[in-house]
Amino acid sequence: DIQMTQSPSTLSASVGDRVTITCRASQTISSWLAWYQQKPGKAPKLLIYKSSTLESGVPLRFSGSESGTEFTLTISSLQPDDFATYYCQQYNSFWTFGQGTKVEIK
Amino acid sequence: QVQLVQSGAEVKKPGASVKVSCKASGSTIFGISWVRQAPGQGLEWVGWISASSGNSKYAQNFQGRVSMTTDTSTSTIYMELRSLRSDDTAVYYCARTTPGEGYFDHWGQGTLVTVSS
Repeated sequence: DIQMTQSPSTLSASVGDRVTITCRASQTISSWLAWYQQKPGKAPKLLIYKSSTLESGVPLRFSGSESGTEFTLTISSLQPDDFATYYCQQYNSFWTFGQGTKVEIK
Repeated sequence: QVQLVQSGAEVKKPGASVKVSCKASGSTIFGISWVRQAPGQGLEWVGWISASSGNSKYAQNFQGRVSMTTDTSTSTIYMELRSLRSDDTAVYYCARTTPGEGYFDHWGQGTLVTVSS
C-alpha cells in the first residue's frame, strides 16, 4: 500500500501569510495527487488534481507543485475563508489520504 | 451539475449491519468511492464501485465486512458495512471518482453512522 505522510499536522498563520503544506508518498505516484479543503461539518472540496491543476472556481492563490515523491500545496496569501483542514490524496494505486493539516488563526 | 444525495443518519448496535445509500443525478457517474471520517479524525478510503459494471475494490481494512452495490435504474449506490463495532462510528461520504483519472470531484453531504450499545 502507498502511504502518504503529510506535514505539519497543525499550522498557525495570519491573514496575508504565505502557507506551505507538504505531502510525501512512500513510493512513486507520478503526478496522481489531489488536494482537498475541508471545513467543520462539511464534505471535503477538491482544490487541485494531477499535482498542480487547479479545479475550476478555486482561487489562484492556491497552487500545487511536486519534486519526486514530495508534493506541496501553497496558499500565496492566506484569506479568512482559508482557515480549514487540508488533505492530500494519492490516486496512483487505489486511494490514500494524508493525515491532514489544520490551518488555524495565529 | 453532479449531485450526490445520501441517506440519513443511522444508530446501530454492535454486531449489526448498516446500509447507506448515495443517489446520483445531473451527470454520468462512472465510479463512486466511499470515504469515512471518525469524529475528530482524518479521511479513510473504504472502497470503490463502478456504477455501470458493479465491479468493486475494497480497502484491506474492510475486506470481508463491506459490500457495495448499484441500482442503475435509480442511479443509487449502496454501501453495506457488517459486524459493526464502536470504532465504525463515523461520517461516511460517497464521492464521484473521475473517469480516466481517479480524483474525487463531487461529494455527498455525508451520513453519520453511530454504533453504540
